[in-house]
Amino acid sequence: DTAVSQTPKYLVTQMGNDKSIKCEQNLGHDTMYWYKQDSKKFLKIMFSYNNKELIINETVPNRFSPKSPDKAHLNLHINSLELGDSAVYFCASSQDRRGTQYFGPGTRLTVL
Amino acid sequence: QQQVKQSPQSLIVQKGGISIINCAYENTAFDYFPWYQQFPGKGPALLIAIRPDVSEKKEGRFTISFNKSAKQFSLHIMDSQPGDSATYFCAASPQGGSARQLTFGSGTQLTVLP
Repeated sequence: DTAVSQTPKYLVTQMGNDKSIKCEQNLGHDTMYWYKQDSKKFLKIMFSYNNKELIINETVPNRFSPKSPDKAHLNLHINSLELGDSAVYFCASSQDRRGTQYFGPGTRLTVL
Repeated sequence: QQQVKQSPQSLIVQKGGISIINCAYENTAFDYFPWYQQFPGKGPALLIAIRPDVSEKKEGRFTISFNKSAKQFSLHIMDSQPGDSATYFCAASPQGGSARQLTFGSGTQLTVLP
């Protein structure tokens, strides 16, 4: 019954490693998003895809690369992880580009 | 540049009291103002939203008041309950653009004492 799911929930890794976070939505939505929530709980959009097309690409280091294999999935790959990448990453989806955004449970990334 | 300023950072209210959280924005192109509620370990969830063509919207115990000329909006939680204890985020997004790009406030940690 989970609407927007993310795996893994927790991710602990060393600096310099490459990691991926996966997101899936079973709501039949066309648009998906990645947000970063920092240690002060500040939420900022990173990327958005609509029907597998990248439509929002905020000022994010190019070590971050989103990929949408189909409109129900949006993955986030991070290369050469840095300490400052430690945060909670949220996936969200909406029915269309202007619809209400539904958030997943988040992935807490800790870079040591 | 923080486009949506939220206050207070934290708020403690007695059960049954009124919780008030305020937000101010700068971008006059914003046309959609949602409030999100986030419990520890969970993702944000839409609570209530308003557009600038109305000055107030009420859903149960939650009310948004909107002042377009002052570029301010606020969330009022009436009869606050311990279960309302959470972090609340205001947000705003502009008309147009390729998608509804939300700009969030910095959040308010609400604690409702029993």
